[in-house]
Amino acid sequence: SQKIEQNSEALNIQEGKTATLTCNYTNYSPAYLQWYRQDPGRGPVFLLLIRENEKEKRKERLKVTFDTTLKQSLFHITASQPADSATYLCALDNYGQNFVFGPGTRLSVLP
Amino acid sequence: GAVVSQHPSRVICKSGTSVKIECRSLDFQATTMFWYRQFPKQSLMLMATSNEGSKATYEQGVEKDKFLINHASLTLSTLTVTSAHPEDSSFYICSARRTGWNSPLHFGNGTRLTVT
Repeated sequence: SQKIEQNSEALNIQEGKTATLTCNYTNYSPAYLQWYRQDPGRGPVFLLLIRENEKEKRKERLKVTFDTTLKQSLFHITASQPADSATYLCALDNYGQNFVFGPGTRLSVLP
Repeated sequence: GAVVSQHPSRVICKSGTSVKIECRSLDFQATTMFWYRQFPKQSLMLMATSNEGSKATYEQGVEKDKFLINHASLTLSTLTVTSAHPEDSSFYICSARRTGWNSPLHFGNGTRLTVT
């Protein structure tokens, strides 16, 4: 059965450092991989989308990589700030069918 | 950007009563909307796909008679939790895609349902 894992339930890093979150999947061939941010008591907010034929995508301090051989995506936040503290979810999409979310990683950026 | 509005944000009801949650796409038409349920510190669980003008598609294990979905217009989908029980207490979130299947999901801010 399909399985999506995110490296850890929680991740603590120091302000200014780069946060790296991992999303691994099995038994799935996604056409797209997306990353969302969710704050407590709120709905997720879309951050970045990367296609299966793209290796890397950047947006301001965010960078996403997608390795379909390893079945893995890495999500980086450079120069992290306390305001980046939130839960980050990866999501796999296969042409609109079978849109699946990972369990999320709760990131805490310590001042 | 696209905005999805969900109402109410919080609701407390007694066992046996029904609760209706509304999800509106404010600046785009959504032929398809999605309803999720989320337990504390867990990820989103897709409950059903709401299709404008037709019946919703429910995920396995989700009772369609318990969770009634109506998508009467291109901007409004409603989820009614019927005969609510304490185990229905959860965080319910709706979402919609602005355009095609390869566009991201836009989420409402969720509804915290507490059944006493």
